Amino acid sequence: KNQVEQSPQSLIILEGKNCTLQCNYTVSPFSNLRWYKQDTGRGPVSLTIMTFSENTKSNGRYTATLDADTKQSSLHITASQLSDSASYICVVRDSGGGADGLTFGKGTHLIIQP
Amino acid sequence: GAVVSQHPSRVICKSGTSVKIECRSLDFQATTMFWYRQFPKQSLMLMATSNEGSKATYEQGVEKDKFLINHASLTLSTLTVTSAHPEDSSFYICSAGTLQAFFGQGTRLTVV
Repeated sequence: KNQVEQSPQSLIILEGKNCTLQCNYTVSPFSNLRWYKQDTGRGPVSLTIMTFSENTKSNGRYTATLDADTKQSSLHITASQLSDSASYICVVRDSGGGADGLTFGKGTHLIIQP
Repeated sequence: GAVVSQHPSRVICKSGTSVKIECRSLDFQATTMFWYRQFPKQSLMLMATSNEGSKATYEQGVEKDKFLINHASLTLSTLTVTSAHPEDSSFYICSAGTLQAFFGQGTRLTVV
C-alpha cells in the first residue's frame, strides 16, 4: 500500500529561524513528489514538484530535496516569516494510473512565533 | 500559473437541504477533476473523479447518490451534497491538472 509519512507532526519556531520538514514515502511506481503549503481554511498551494532525477529544487525561501534511493524528501524553510505558519503537505504521485494517482501525507503543522 | 477557482468558500445549511459546490478551471481545460474531503488535521481524502461528459468515478465508501457530481463542460465540475446531515460538515476541495495538481480554495460546509 502506498504511504507517505511526514515528521514532525507539528513544529513551533521563532520568526527568522530556519526549519526542515521531513517526508518518507513508499509509493511505487514513483512519478513525482510535491510539497504544498496549506493555510488554515484554504486549499493547498504548490511549492515545488520534483521528479526522480532531481535532487534539489528551490522556490524562494523554500528548498526541497529528494533522495529517490532512500525515498526521502525534505523541505527547508529559511529565515521563517509569520506568514509561513501553515500546514505543509508532502504528496507523491505514482505512475500507475489509478484515480488521481496521489498519496497525501498528513502534513506538518508549522507555527511561527514572533 | 494555472488557477482553479472554487465557490463558495463557506456555506452553512440546514439538515436535509442540498448544497452545490462549483469548481472551475480558469485558464485551462480539464477533462478530469477530483473532489476531496478533509477533516481537521487530516490529509485530503479522494472522494471521486469527475469526468467531463461521463459519469463520475467514486472511491470506495463514498455514496454516489449523496454526493452528486456533474462535469458538463471542460472548465466546470459541480459537487452537490444532497440531504445534508451534520456529519457531512467538512472541508471540500477540488483539483484539476494532470502533471501538477492545482487545488481550489476549498469550501467549508457546516450543516446545522
